[in-house]
Amino acid sequence: AQSVSQHNHHVILSEAASLELGCNYSYGGTVNLFWYVQYPGQHLQLLLKYFSGDPLVKGIKGFEAEFIKSKFSFNLRKPSVQWSDTAEYFCAVNEANDYKLSFGAGTTVTVRA
Amino acid sequence: NAGVMQNPRHLVRRRGQEARLRCSPMKGHSHVYWYRQLPEEGLKFMVYLQKENIIDESGMPKERFSAEFPKEGPSILRIQQVVRGDSAAYFCASSPGLAGAYEQYFGPGTRLTVT
Repeated sequence: AQSVSQHNHHVILSEAASLELGCNYSYGGTVNLFWYVQYPGQHLQLLLKYFSGDPLVKGIKGFEAEFIKSKFSFNLRKPSVQWSDTAEYFCAVNEANDYKLSFGAGTTVTVRA
Repeated sequence: NAGVMQNPRHLVRRRGQEARLRCSPMKGHSHVYWYRQLPEEGLKFMVYLQKENIIDESGMPKERFSAEFPKEGPSILRIQQVVRGDSAAYFCASSPGLAGAYEQYFGPGTRLTVT
């Protein structure tokens, strides 16, 4: 089974700071990669996804992620965070053509105004 | 354009009672997935259903847990004789086709607390 590791449990930032959240997975074959965000009291929303093609993926709300196959990584970045980015962020992976998503434990991001 | 709906959002049960969690997929979606998130852990796959069919329940505990997705109405995750270890957030997701090729859309989750 896949394992997905998110490096940070809780990150605290000031507004306008840059954000990078690490994600590594264990499977050596072809994968689909996702970042989901859960704002307080809301459902999980898809930030961005990678299925194939350009390994630098642009998502919503100014987020991007880079797939580095050799490092089994899919790190999430945002150059300048806002208070409204306070949320929990989940990295998820599935093997291509498999429906089961494997999730990391999540990273709570707190942005201070 | 309603997303995936789950109810109740919060559910409190005493040990030994039954818990029923409901999930209505997005309009046009016929594939439903249930995940469980235990404290301090990521979501873990439980079961994949299509209308009237359980396709994969490999992530379901062997006893007390069952799921269905009837022809009409929401998908139901049922937990009989709940124990404290069942306390978790239960998320439902849906997709328009098989999720290997499509993203999954998640509901807000049901937080089950067993006292």
